[in-house]
Amino acid sequence: KAGVTQTPRYLIKTRGQQVTLSCSPISGHRSVSWYQQTPGQGLQFLFEYFSETQRNKGNFPGRFSGRQFSNSRSEMNVSTLELGDSALYLCASRAAGSYGYTFGSGTRLTVV
Amino acid sequence: GENVEQHPSTLSVQEGDSAVIKCTYSDSASNYFPWYKQELGKGPQLIIDIRSNVGEKKDQRIAVTLNKTAKHFSLHITETQPEDSAVYFCAAHKPNSNYQLIWGAGTKLIIKP
Repeated sequence: KAGVTQTPRYLIKTRGQQVTLSCSPISGHRSVSWYQQTPGQGLQFLFEYFSETQRNKGNFPGRFSGRQFSNSRSEMNVSTLELGDSALYLCASRAAGSYGYTFGSGTRLTVV
Repeated sequence: GENVEQHPSTLSVQEGDSAVIKCTYSDSASNYFPWYKQELGKGPQLIIDIRSNVGEKKDQRIAVTLNKTAKHFSLHITETQPEDSAVYFCAAHKPNSNYQLIWGAGTKLIIKP
């Protein structure tokens, strides 16, 4: 079956702009989580959506937001981009009742 | 809250030798401990996991051990091969959460030919 698909793979944005990243989970998976990965900080949890509802949220400013659609696809948005937002953004999906997360290959965001 | 510490941050071993990565967790109520492998340009991939009612689990060249009393768990890779070179992350289930995981900082494993 198809894996987790993230688009786009690479993005270059200017400081102050906003960006939207997309994630299509594995078919049947209703949970989608987002992570920020930077070389010095490892995997930082942003938020999790389950059946269109945000269920968990990490410690990130309000500039980071997300949503999930009825088909379980999810988007995350970052407004007023800062240089420090440059990172690999990973999406992971899992089936209800399971601990097993399947990650996408990520979107590499560079803010200049 | 739950915290997971992972050591070492970088590990270099000779091809064919064994590698061990260790993690400690803070909340004794954690009951699930996975290990993920991240290769260059890819997302992390689950390679092995263990639940708190089991002390050890093996899958071919990899094994995970859990010491609940000491609140630490380890990944063991035997007969290392070049394709084992990657970043490895441990994680622990966050108690009273909806399957949320708390992650270690990662270990970069380098296999020297």
